[in-house]
Amino acid sequence: DTEVTQTPKHLVMGMTNKKSLKCEQHMGHRAMYWYKQKAKKPPELMFVYSYEKLSINESVPSRFSPECPNSSLLNLHLHALQPEDSALYLCASSPMWEPSNQPQHFGDGTRLSIL
Amino acid sequence: GDSVTQMEGPVTLSEEAFLTINCTYTATGYPSLFWYVQYPGEGLQLLLKATKADDKGSNKGFEATYRKETTSFHLEKGSVQVSDSAVYFCALSDSGGTSYGKLTFGQGTILTVHP
Repeated sequence: DTEVTQTPKHLVMGMTNKKSLKCEQHMGHRAMYWYKQKAKKPPELMFVYSYEKLSINESVPSRFSPECPNSSLLNLHLHALQPEDSALYLCASSPMWEPSNQPQHFGDGTRLSIL
Repeated sequence: GDSVTQMEGPVTLSEEAFLTINCTYTATGYPSLFWYVQYPGEGLQLLLKATKADDKGSNKGFEATYRKETTSFHLEKGSVQVSDSAVYFCALSDSGGTSYGKLTFGQGTILTVHP
């Protein structure tokens, strides 16, 4: 069983909808990450939060809006998405981003389909 | 910049065969190296890690040794099972600077094990 929980597991939405993805961890980790993964490809980093503050935005379009309400929760708000945004969205956490030897723990992801 | 190169797949083996998945890397600092496994419909699970030269990571019969002289971290297993069928990702996390614990992934290797 994964220690990083993501909901929902599947999401289908139209291009004009607004929805949110949720991620939760109770391991006391202070770094949290959002990744996008297309089929048969490695995950691509989108955002990094450290101590509930956004530290990295990998040039992600503004239709993706992250939020970290507390140290255990990470949300990804979605609005006006495009069909090419259909993918598996993975959340991960780690004790901190340094030292680099701390592995990231991944959730099972939300499979998003844009109609 | 940092990069990870994995052997191209897919790899198809019979049960109890020996497995090797090659991984080489390029990094500017002193990276930590990881192997992650992704089973169908799931997120990434940490399989093993090594944080310095000559370290050997091992888990569930899988092994990989951090070879600085050849910049390699090849994954091996002596006898694979059908349940090992999955996608395997080699990844590195570099230290310091603006790395922010960013994982650099290889392209992934699809492994299929037949009974």
